[in-house]
Amino acid sequence: ETGVTQTPRHLVMGMTNKKSLKCEQHLGHNAMYWYKQSAKKPLELMFVYNFKEQTENNSVPSRFSPECPNSSHLFLHLHTLQPEDSALYLCASSQDLSRSQETQYFGPGTRLLVL
Amino acid sequence: TQLLEQSPQFLSIQEGENLTVYCNSSSVFSSLQWYRQEPGEGPVLLVTVVTGGEVKKLKRLTFQFGDARKDSSLHITAAQPGDTGLYLCAVPNRDDKIIFGKGTRLHILP
Repeated sequence: ETGVTQTPRHLVMGMTNKKSLKCEQHLGHNAMYWYKQSAKKPLELMFVYNFKEQTENNSVPSRFSPECPNSSHLFLHLHTLQPEDSALYLCASSQDLSRSQETQYFGPGTRLLVL
Repeated sequence: TQLLEQSPQFLSIQEGENLTVYCNSSSVFSSLQWYRQEPGEGPVLLVTVVTGGEVKKLKRLTFQFGDARKDSSLHITAAQPGDTGLYLCAVPNRDDKIIFGKGTRLHILP
């Protein structure tokens, strides 16, 4: 138990569906992150939020839309996804923006399959 | 170009054996982290190394940061099934953002 929870753990959706992934951290951290983990690629940083403000969008397609209503919650809204978007989506948090020695705490991830 | 190269990609060994996995780059880093990701879970930080030549031990795991701070190794002594997982190294890039290698997938056979 890392203090970061994600729901749902598994999701299957069609290309025309709209769904949302939820992340909650109980650590009092200020920064939260979305990562994508595919089978043959390194962990890819998607979005970064610091004190609820988006500080980074790593050229992510607009069919992925993040939302951070407060420092404890982070959402990833999904719309019109493609099969190649199937992956494990990981949420993480850190006390402050991730710098060289900052520890990131990861949730268990949402395994997404797009049909 | 992959900033971090981890090798081997896959490793399957018997319980009780020793093993070493590597994280290499042509760049110099101010620090390097090792994470372990068990099946069905997110990565968990094992260690951060910051000084060239630094060695850190975590029970049966020994981490070393290269003298030139370009590479690192992780040595496991007497591997156990609980060591099974994906081992990821991570470093800060020029923008001080953390980037990850592809990882070494380790499987310990009982």
